[in-house]
Amino acid sequence: EDQVTQSPEALRLQEGESSSLNCSYTVSGLRGLFWYRQDPGKGPEFLFTLYSAGEEKEKERLKATLTKKESFLHITAPKPEDSATYLCAVQSPYNFNKFYFGSGTKLNVKP
Amino acid sequence: EAQVTQNPRYLITVTGKKLTVTCSQNMNHEYMSWYRQDPGLGLRQIYYSMNVEVTDKGDVPEGYKVSRKEKRNFPLILESPSPNQTSLYFCASSPSATTNEKLFFGSGTQLSVL
Repeated sequence: EDQVTQSPEALRLQEGESSSLNCSYTVSGLRGLFWYRQDPGKGPEFLFTLYSAGEEKEKERLKATLTKKESFLHITAPKPEDSATYLCAVQSPYNFNKFYFGSGTKLNVKP
Repeated sequence: EAQVTQNPRYLITVTGKKLTVTCSQNMNHEYMSWYRQDPGLGLRQIYYSMNVEVTDKGDVPEGYKVSRKEKRNFPLILESPSPNQTSLYFCASSPSATTNEKLFFGSGTQLSVL
């Protein structure tokens, strides 16, 4: 059973065109939800951790929000350098050493 | 520079030939873990370690072995590789095994088993 589902699989935006990426999860009793950025040929790089519904975190043009069943990564006025694959992961509530990742959203921002 | 270092970066081998992928971190992290990344499947956890001599299975441990004899090193061993183990592998570490607030990843090892 899939624990984490990300949508869309791919997203193409014009520079300055704001949008949102979605991460839905099925685990109950969420311990932590994580967003990572992955550039081609590199390992994922940590962006945010969210712990409870209603929580929001921001970093430059990115804002992550959390509800009881999903998280959104909002990208405001993106730039070409924001092009990357964005990964969402949830931490198992039963074993905090286990993480479940979505398959990612590949974002392409055109100038 | 604080980092997780994996070697080799690329590896091509043949079925059945034992191999080891090394992982080392210089941040004195307690927790280390191995993942494989396949198209459409995302990152899947193979094994993890909470500290020296403490390891446990992730979701896809079959065909893999690990050891944690030193805090900084966590090698991944494929004793008899098969083509279905062709994948992109990542090692990750975290400061504390009790909180795991975020993971630091290596740059990856692209493995092809012919």
